[in-house]
Amino acid sequence: DTEVTQTPKHLVMGMTNKKSLKCEQHMGHRAMYWYKQKAKKPPELMFVYSYEKLSINESVPSRFSPECPNSSLLNLHLHALQPEDSALYLCASSQEYTSGVSTDTQYFGPGTRLTVL
Amino acid sequence: AQTVTQSQPEMSVQEAETVTLSCTYDTSESDYYLFWYKQPPSRQMILVIRQEAYKQQNATENRFSVNFQKAAKSFSLKISDSQLGDAAMYFCAYRSPQGGSEKLVFGKGTKLTVNP
Repeated sequence: DTEVTQTPKHLVMGMTNKKSLKCEQHMGHRAMYWYKQKAKKPPELMFVYSYEKLSINESVPSRFSPECPNSSLLNLHLHALQPEDSALYLCASSQEYTSGVSTDTQYFGPGTRLTVL
Repeated sequence: AQTVTQSQPEMSVQEAETVTLSCTYDTSESDYYLFWYKQPPSRQMILVIRQEAYKQQNATENRFSVNFQKAAKSFSLKISDSQLGDAAMYFCAYRSPQGGSEKLVFGKGTKLTVNP
């Protein structure tokens, strides 16, 4: 089973709202990722969690706040977003890496289509 | 830094025929991973095929196969017996095996249309 689930599928929010995106996987993967994808563009990495600790933050604005409550869950908290933040937000996971060697394949969820009004 | 180039923004193929999508990359590493992902209009990124650079044998998955030319830094995807369901955006991606470098470097994508 290589399933990554994301909720909600669609989200519309105002610039003053606070909302959260959720991602879940039950493959025993210990690395989880958030990507942002604009139309007709490749995904852009936002955050990487490894063993539930933030390992990469690609200089993402603080209005995006990731959280990894446990090894299966990844949240992205949204606050005071701008219209230009409207995009498809993809979650992915991969097996942990040990001894400095990264296991490689990332499996993606279906994404959350976010619209900021 | 590694870069991935997909020189064909759009391609089309007749159903049941074969099409090849091109991908080139630039890296100074000797070991790495390469991937092709498919993203249909439903938008989920689906892994099509992966290749480890240390393997000389080209990866195959059913109707999908790659032509991996390490010296030329080329990684093309061949789709045989094309089906309507193959219509999608295809992204080529590179990943370093080094710990702390989990970032996938994507190409800009190739939009594949399958004509009935």
